[in-house]
Amino acid sequence: DAGVTQSPTHLIKTRGQHVTLRCSPISGHKSVSWYQQVLGQGPQFIFQYYEKEERGRGNFPDRFSARQFPNYSSELNVNALLLGDSALYLCASSPLQGYEQYFGPGTRLTVT
Amino acid sequence: GIQVEQSPPDLILQEGANSTLRCNFSDSVNNLQWFHQNPWGQLINLFYIPSGTKQNGRLSATTVATERYSLLYISSSQTTDSGVYFCAVFTHTGANSKLTFGKGITLSVRP
Repeated sequence: DAGVTQSPTHLIKTRGQHVTLRCSPISGHKSVSWYQQVLGQGPQFIFQYYEKEERGRGNFPDRFSARQFPNYSSELNVNALLLGDSALYLCASSPLQGYEQYFGPGTRLTVT
Repeated sequence: GIQVEQSPPDLILQEGANSTLRCNFSDSVNNLQWFHQNPWGQLINLFYIPSGTKQNGRLSATTVATERYSLLYISSSQTTDSGVYFCAVFTHTGANSKLTFGKGITLSVRP
């Protein structure tokens, strides 16, 4: 079975631009979570979606938004990019909320 | 929010040595996971262990939920064990649920 997939792999954007990151969960998994990992730190929780509803939100500004589609894939959107948004963005899926999470390879975003 | 502390922050081993990595957490948790992050950033699941002891080859883990800690044991270390090890705890309160990570332990295994 395919694992969690994310696209794109790498992305370079300019300050003030907007970015959309995509995630496809493991087949049969209904919960998707997003994390931001800056260099030298552990991943920080951004959002969790379960059955297309937001079930958790981390301490991130409103510039960050997400949604989950009927096929359980998900998008993370970031508006008005700042230099500090440069990070590895990780997506994780789990069969049900609260169960073991499996991570994708991440999208490395660089904001210049 | 819940605090997750991992120790030691850095660990250097000679190949073949054993090691213990520790994870302390500040409040009750619903479950706990250990991950190994490879140099390309991929988080690899090692254990899903809300309580008790599990073993997988040279690795084993123990979580004592009542005392709010978990241990990851690596025996007969190999150079391929190098990387960053993360502990993460899952908390579910009302409609809000999330995985909180520690800062990680950087392990270097020398040949």
